[in-house]
Formats: sequence, structure tokens, C-alpha cells
Amino acid sequence: AQSVTQPDIHITVSEGASLELRCNYSYGATPYLFWYVQSPGQGLQLLLKYFSGDTLVQGIKGFEAEFKRSQSSFNLRKPSVHWSDAAEYFCAVGALEYGNKLVFGAGTILRVKS
Amino acid sequence: EAQVTQNPRYLITVTGKKLTVTCSQNMNHEYMSWYRQDPGLGLRQIYYSMNVEVTDKGDVPEGYKVSRKEKRNFPLILESPSPNQTSLYFCASSSALVWNTGELFFGEGSRLTVL
Repeated sequence: AQSVTQPDIHITVSEGASLELRCNYSYGATPYLFWYVQSPGQGLQLLLKYFSGDTLVQGIKGFEAEFKRSQSSFNLRKPSVHWSDAAEYFCAVGALEYGNKLVFGAGTILRVKS
Repeated sequence: EAQVTQNPRYLITVTGKKLTVTCSQNMNHEYMSWYRQDPGLGLRQIYYSMNVEVTDKGDVPEGYKVSRKEKRNFPLILESPSPNQTSLYFCASSSALVWNTGELFFGEGSRLTVL
């Protein structure tokens, strides 16, 4: 079965600094990869997704992620963090043979300091 | 406005008292699912439904029931809640196979405490 690891439980960055959130997955073939964001008291919102093609994908709110097959990684990046980016971020993986199910990582809580 | 609506948003109950968390979507989505979110574990799927009268177990179905009598509604039923079901619950829906659209639309969550 596929699995997702987000090694960092908490990350704190200064406003305006760059950000990278790590995600590693375990799956034999090329999975479908997603990043979701959960703002306090809200449901999850899709930031970006990767299915195939260009390994650098752009998402909403200025986020991007890069799929690296050799490292089984799908790290999320943003060049300059805003205070409103403080939230919890979830990496998720889907696969055709596992049906309509996404497997989520444990999440990374991002704190932004001014 | 397209949305997934869950009720109640907050609930405190006692062990053994049956409860239902409702979920309704106004997007005519075929696919609906329930997740629970626990610290350090992320979101885990409880049940899902591909369409009316079609439901199946996710990863953690024990202690839960669901039904899908109408396309828009997908209630989660806890017949005899126990403290280990204290959690934050999310309902989600999608118009197609998840990997075609990549997007699950989530409700705002229902925080359940079982004493």
C-alpha cells in the first residue's frame, strides 16, 4: 500500500523568507500527488497536484512543488512566505489501483513569525 | 455557492449514545467520503461512496456506519460512540475519480468529543 511521510511536524519561518515543506511517498509506480492546506477552523483546500508531465507544478497562492522520482519526493516550496500562509499542510498520494482513496501524510504545521 | 456542509460542527456526547453527523453537498458530486483527523496521524478514510446506494469501507471503518440514499447526502452514524472516536471529522466530495480532478471538496469539519 502507498504511504506518505512528512518528516517535519512543525516549521517556523520568518515572513518574507523562503519555505520548503518535505514530502516522501512510498509507492511502486508513479503515484498521483497532492498538497492540501488547512487553515485554522477550516476544511482542506487543494494547493496543487501532479499526475504526469512537467515535474515542477504550480499551484495557488504562489506555491509550487517538484516531483523527484529518484528521491520519491514531492516537496512544496514558496519563495516568500506571508503571514497568511500560517496553516497546516498535508501531502497526499493517490493511485489508480487503490480506487478513490487519497492517503494523507501526518501534516506539517507552518508558523510564520513577523 | 458550491459547498460541503456538515452538522453539527461541535458535539460533546457520552459513551453509547447514538449520534449522526450529517453531510450534504450541492455540487451534484457522485463521490463522497468521510475522514477522521487525529494529531500526528493526518487524515484517515472511514468510508466512501461512489454513488447512490454504493458504499465501501476505508481504512478505519470500525464503529461507524454510513448510508447514501440520496446523491447529495452522506451521513456518518456512530451507533455506540466510544472515547477513541473523539476526533475531528471531515466529509469530502468529488465530481469524478479523484485522480482525474485531483480535488476533493471538504466540509469545515465536525469536532466530536465522546466522554
